[in-house]
Amino acid sequence: SSELTQDPAVSVALGQTVRITCQGDSLRRFDATWYQQKPGQAPVLVIYNKNNRPSGIPDRFSGSGSGNTASLTITGAQAEDEADYYCNSRDTIIDHLVFGGGTKLTVL
Amino acid sequence: EMQLVESGGGLVQPGGSLRLSCAASGFTFSTYWMHWVRQAPGKGLVWVSRINSDGSRTIYADSVKGRFTISRDNAKNTLYLQMNTLTAEDTAVYYCAREGGGLSLYMDVWGKGTTVTVSP
Repeated sequence: SSELTQDPAVSVALGQTVRITCQGDSLRRFDATWYQQKPGQAPVLVIYNKNNRPSGIPDRFSGSGSGNTASLTITGAQAEDEADYYCNSRDTIIDHLVFGGGTKLTVL
Repeated sequence: EMQLVESGGGLVQPGGSLRLSCAASGFTFSTYWMHWVRQAPGKGLVWVSRINSDGSRTIYADSVKGRFTISRDNAKNTLYLQMNTLTAEDTAVYYCAREGGGLSLYMDVWGKGTTVTVSP
């Protein structure tokens, strides 16, 4: 099965732009999905089908991808964006899903 | 309002069994694929299983295949996860989630989770 690799931790100054990346072979075939999870809460979908935002997700969140890498960009990070972010995609070999290890975002 | 509410978690001894439930409301449950995802304490999300809309197709992660069984009762708008031969490595918060659709199989509605602890 595939693996997705994320940086364990990233920090950003309040109001600045941050990019969180995810790498894996499955991303060559399937779009990445991104989830936000705050402590003690369930995950929340923030980006799907590479760059689509569900209703209620601020437009400062965007997604992109090329080759084996997908990115989640937060333009003008806010204090409430401090959370763990997980990428996810369909597995290449079999009809499973795979998550990245997660990136802890700190807003300074 | 679309909602998923998990129940059935608890403390179970190694080798024991537990059945989780996930009650759905606010959407037409019978038309959606559904998932179970778990998260061990202090760890990341791990996909566990998915089931198609009528329950005829089930798919499992290698780590639970042969021990866990996903099922659903569309008349009751409820998803289940039967967990057998539990080990300490199964200790986690278990979330049910709705599959939004499309090739990427994203999960657009999540429950708050139910905690399973496997310990002597």
